[in-house]
Amino acid sequence: GDSVTQMEGPVTLSEEAFLTINCTYTATGYPSLFWYVQYPGEGLQLLLKATKADDKGSNKGFEATYRKETTSFHLEKGSVQVSDSAVYFCALTPRGAGGTSYGKLTFGQGTILTVHP
Amino acid sequence: DGGITQSPKYLFRKEGQNVTLSCEQNLNHDAMYWYRQDPGQGLRLIYYSQIVNDFQKGDIAEGYSVSREKKESFPLTVTSAQKNPTAFYLCASSIPFTGELFFGEGSRLTVL
Repeated sequence: GDSVTQMEGPVTLSEEAFLTINCTYTATGYPSLFWYVQYPGEGLQLLLKATKADDKGSNKGFEATYRKETTSFHLEKGSVQVSDSAVYFCALTPRGAGGTSYGKLTFGQGTILTVHP
Repeated sequence: DGGITQSPKYLFRKEGQNVTLSCEQNLNHDAMYWYRQDPGQGLRLIYYSQIVNDFQKGDIAEGYSVSREKKESFPLTVTSAQKNPTAFYLCASSIPFTGELFFGEGSRLTVL
């Protein structure tokens, strides 16, 4: 079945440092890929997405590129802030005929990010 | 504001009791989902519903039940058959055919 593997955490960085959180996946066909973020005590929010190979999703300074050859979707940010401290989840959903996607997501285990001033 | 409302935020239960978690959405989404979150394990799908009066089991449905009598509502019952119910429960809805989920703020259930 489908699966998502994220780098082990937690990750601790100083403000303005460069961030990379690795994500690799196993799936049949061409899934859609997502990064979700969960701030303390809250539900998850969609951070960015990509629906086909070589697509780059971006939002709030975060970026991730859909790499089919390496089955990866690594999250990056050039300069993190204290407010970026959260749990980050990589996820995928299969795409059906005609390129439609479904909401039955498979999530990675999450990576805790802590940013210090 | 449109969104998903889960209640209660915190719930304590004695062993052997059933509890029901509420999930209401005003986003006019057809599809709704229940996920369970445990530390270090990410989110696991319990049940989902693509349309009113229809729902399917997810990966860990044993010990849970749901209903979908209205488009806006998708309550989850944690039954006494669930062996390890202490967890954080998240309800979500989705825009059709995009895979994008909108989550509520979650309900934390603790079994005493």
